[in-house]
Amino acid sequence: NAGVTQTPKFRVLKTGQSMTLLCAQDMNHEYMYWYRQDPGMGLRLIHYSVGEGTTAKGEVPDGYNVSRLKKQNFLLGLESAAPSQTSVYFCASTDEGTSGRALDTQYFGPGTRLTVL
Amino acid sequence: DQQVKQNSPSLSVQEGRISILNCDYTNSMFDYFLWYKKYPAEGPTFLISISSIKDKNEDGRFTVFLNKSAKHLSLHIVPSQPGDSAVYFCAASLTHYLDTGRRALTFGSGTRLQVQP
Repeated sequence: NAGVTQTPKFRVLKTGQSMTLLCAQDMNHEYMYWYRQDPGMGLRLIHYSVGEGTTAKGEVPDGYNVSRLKKQNFLLGLESAAPSQTSVYFCASTDEGTSGRALDTQYFGPGTRLTVL
Repeated sequence: DQQVKQNSPSLSVQEGRISILNCDYTNSMFDYFLWYKKYPAEGPTFLISISSIKDKNEDGRFTVFLNKSAKHLSLHIVPSQPGDSAVYFCAASLTHYLDTGRRALTFGSGTRLQVQP
């Protein structure tokens, strides 16, 4: 099992450019998440998905869009990149517990380091 | 306003001694707490967790203590090993009031542990 993989690992963009970050998981997890990590701050939730075809906003969704067309993939898009979006982006996934809610233990990908000039 | 705080950005201990990492939280609705460990250029990995109905959970060299009245938890590593050198994130979880299927994780800013040989 590869677990959670992220593509690309690094990217440099100019202000105004667009890009898509890809997250893939092979654990058949229902729940997937996108976080960003900035210096001196914890991971902050951007968007999440509770299943194929569903997406929802997290704590810091502005400037990002997401799609979950396939259960194993969760895409994060930046339509017009800004320097404030320079960050390390982490994708995570988890399964559904017996209570019908997401389990608290999340599995993370290795991250994508994005720089916006 | 950070709901989960790790006030020590770094900690250095000698190999074989105890490492104590601290975390404070403000939201009394949190009902589950987790510690994640992160090596450079990797995603966070789950380490240990504790439910709010307990005050201690142990897993090998790692023990997490929860003091609900003080809204404080700590991670003890005994004995510390050089391979434990990493950034440790404290995270807290609750059921999102808008979406009971979602378990929202709130992360602290992390503590960098350095274990000296």
